[in-house]
Amino acid sequence: DVKVTQSSRYLVKRTGEKVFLECVQDMDHENMFWYRQDPGLGLRLIYFSYDVKMKEKGDIPEGYSVSREKKERFSLILESASTNQTSMYLCASSERPQHFGDGTRLSIL
Amino acid sequence: RKEVEQDPGPFNVPEGATVAFNCTYSNSASQSFFWYRQDCRKEPKLLMSVYSSGNEDGRFTAQLNRASQYISLLIRDSKLSDSATYLCVVIITGRRALTFGSGTRLQVQP
Repeated sequence: DVKVTQSSRYLVKRTGEKVFLECVQDMDHENMFWYRQDPGLGLRLIYFSYDVKMKEKGDIPEGYSVSREKKERFSLILESASTNQTSMYLCASSERPQHFGDGTRLSIL
Repeated sequence: RKEVEQDPGPFNVPEGATVAFNCTYSNSASQSFFWYRQDCRKEPKLLMSVYSSGNEDGRFTAQLNRASQYISLLIRDSKLSDSATYLCVVIITGRRALTFGSGTRLQVQP
């Protein structure tokens, strides 16, 4: 069974902080994705990566960056957190079907 | 206009009822279709793929209408445990990532 693990289920940070969200998958998948999910807006793609050190912007990349130094790990970085980045963040790997991590509920105060 | 649209609901139905959701997509390059289920405060999980000829998995039936650009999900004999949000998901040719609808919430009541 595919396992996608996100480092934190709940996280509270302050405005202006640099925030790291980590995601690890154990199935040697090439593709990994970061989404955020907000009520009424559904899942929106922030960034994805199709190989080590390769990344592409999704629909809402502003305010975020990513890092993929190893195949199994895909990190989402909020360079300077803002309150409008309070959301549920979901990591996924592969394409069809996508396997999701448990999600990180991030609150920016 | 969103590329994948769903009625947000909620659909409130009694146990044992049959309920159907539709999902419309606007991009004609949409090639693959799925239904995901998401429980409250949990991650989405694949429920079933949707094939051109229609497909069934137990109490769940999925259908695709390419001419009208919609897919449907039918749930027969609803159970309390079917209460969840159902996400319509599309793969569009040329894109690596999936495109998600906002979801339809189902509440099955005793």
